[in-house]
Amino acid sequence: NAGVTQTPKFQVLKTGQSMTLQCAQDMNHEYMSWYRQDPGMGLRLIHYSVGAGITDQGEVPNGYNVSRSTTEDFPLRLLSAAPSQTSVYFCASSYSRFSYEQYFGPGTRLTVT
Amino acid sequence: GIQVEQSPPDLILQEGANSTLRCNFSDSVNNLQWFHQNPWGQLINLFYIPSGTKQNGRLSATTVATERYSLLYISSSQTTDSGVYFCAVYGTYKYIFGTGTRLKVLA
Repeated sequence: NAGVTQTPKFQVLKTGQSMTLQCAQDMNHEYMSWYRQDPGMGLRLIHYSVGAGITDQGEVPNGYNVSRSTTEDFPLRLLSAAPSQTSVYFCASSYSRFSYEQYFGPGTRLTVT
Repeated sequence: GIQVEQSPPDLILQEGANSTLRCNFSDSVNNLQWFHQNPWGQLINLFYIPSGTKQNGRLSATTVATERYSLLYISSSQTTDSGVYFCAVYGTYKYIFGTGTRLKVLA
């Protein structure tokens, strides 16, 4: 198993550009989520999904869109990047929505200039 | 929403010393995990511990869910233990992270 994979590892965007951060897992996990990590602030939940076709907002959803068309994939879309979205983004998955161990991908470091 | 507080925010140890990290949470939760973020940014699962005590080598953790806290013990610390330690609690379909304890172990 590859576990949770994320692409790209690094990305630089100009203000106003759009992009999609990819996340995939091969563990048949029901629950997937996206976090951002800013210096000194820990990880904050952006969006999560409890299964294919079902998504919901976390703590900091503004400026981000998600969809979950398959169990394996959970892409995060930035429609119009802003410097405030400069951060490290982590994707995570767990077996079920009902409180199981969470596994993290390696992260994507995004800089918006 | 659930609040998660970790203490201390920063900790410097000599190699070989022991330490205790604390995680307090404001409401009843279904699960708690401890993670280590190494200097390269990778998040490593340490413990999945909704209640009780677990041990893994030099590390152990205890969660007292009724009193809303968890402790992470590191014994005989090594330089490779350096990094940031996070606890995360699971409420209703959401994990909430604390702001972490930054640990530096000196050789």
